[in-house]
Formats: sequence, C-alpha cells, structure tokens
Amino acid sequence: AQKVTQAQTEISVVEKEDVTLDCVYETRDTTYYLFWYKQPPSGELVFLIRRNSFDEQNEISGRYSWNFQKSTSSFNFTITASQVVDSAVYFCALSETSGSRLTFGEGTQLTVNP
Amino acid sequence: EAGVTQFPSHSVIEKGQTVTLRCDPISGHDNLYWYRRVMGKEIKFLLHFVKESKQDESGMPNNRFLAERTGGTYSTLKVQPAELEDSGVYFCASSQNLRTDTQYFGPGTRLTVL
Repeated sequence: AQKVTQAQTEISVVEKEDVTLDCVYETRDTTYYLFWYKQPPSGELVFLIRRNSFDEQNEISGRYSWNFQKSTSSFNFTITASQVVDSAVYFCALSETSGSRLTFGEGTQLTVNP
Repeated sequence: EAGVTQFPSHSVIEKGQTVTLRCDPISGHDNLYWYRRVMGKEIKFLLHFVKESKQDESGMPNNRFLAERTGGTYSTLKVQPAELEDSGVYFCASSQNLRTDTQYFGPGTRLTVL
C-alpha cells in the first residue's frame, strides 16, 4: 500500500526566512508520481508541481524548489525568502499510476509572520 | 478557462437529512475525482469517473454515498442519510486524460452534520 508522511504538522517562520517542508513516501511500484499542492486560507487546492519517479532532477521555480531523492523516498519542498502570502497548508501526494487516485499526506500548516 | 467549481461552498444539515454536492469539472476533462478531508486529517480518495463511468469507487465509505456523472459532464455526490462522521470538506478534482495526470481541484464543499 502507498503512504505519504508529512511529519511537520505546523511550522512558523518569520518573513524572509527559508523553510523546508518534508515529505516521505512509501510505495511498492517502480513507476509513480509525486505532487505538491498548496491550500491557502481561501480553501482551494492549488497545484504546484508533479514529478515522475524517473526524473530525480531537482526543480526550481522562483522562490520554490523541490528536492527529490529516491534513495530516501523523500520529496522535500523549500521556500526561499518566505513571504506572508506563503502562509497556507501544503500537501504532498503520490499516485502509483498515471491518472489514478492521489494518496495525500496530512499536510503541513505553514505560517509566515511579518 | 474556468477552473473546477463546486456547489454549495458550505452546507449545514442535521443527522438523517440528505445532502447533494455538485462538481463541475474543467471543460473537456474526462476524469473527475471526489476526495474528502475529515477533521483535519489527510485528504482521502472517494472515487474516480472516466467520462460517465466509475473507474474506481473503492474509497466510498459506505452505501449512504452515491455519486453520479450524467452525460460525463458535472457530477453529484449524495449523502443519504447523513451521519455526524460525514462532516468534513469534500473536494472535487478533474484531469484532462490519464496520460497528463495532473488533477486540478475545486474549492471544496464544507459539510457540517449536526
């Protein structure tokens, strides 16, 4: 069975600090897909990134970066120079085949204080 | 392009009543998914439609839940009769096809059963 663990329930930082959100996954498949979603206070889930298991290249998008390491089954998310608008719940998710159900972690509540 | 929309945004009902939630996917998206988040836990999969057919309904908790997708467009999720443990946020997501995989979520319906 697949499982996603986000051990950090809540993180609080001061604006401009860097912050890393951890995600550890379990799956028996060799092909799988990893996702991060952001849930701002307004409630909708906003897609951030999708990676497949064959692509271990780290990715950077503006202040966001993702570190995918198959050796440790981790897909961590770093926000550089955090801003108040980054305050949200962040979810990591896994799907074992393309288009199938997502298995989510419990989410990490990030609060960025001014 | 309009995103996934859900109606209502909030619903408060009494135990034993019936509630119907509606989801309109992104136009042209064949795949439609229902998920729910109960009591701040992880977001859990309920079911997956491909067009009007149920591809995977293994996450449906019991037979009080009925999902339909008439004509392969919008979908409804009916809870009858509602129980206290059904309270939570119900999310709908859609994806264009199984190969592109990324699921885009709606804002959710917050259901409270008293």
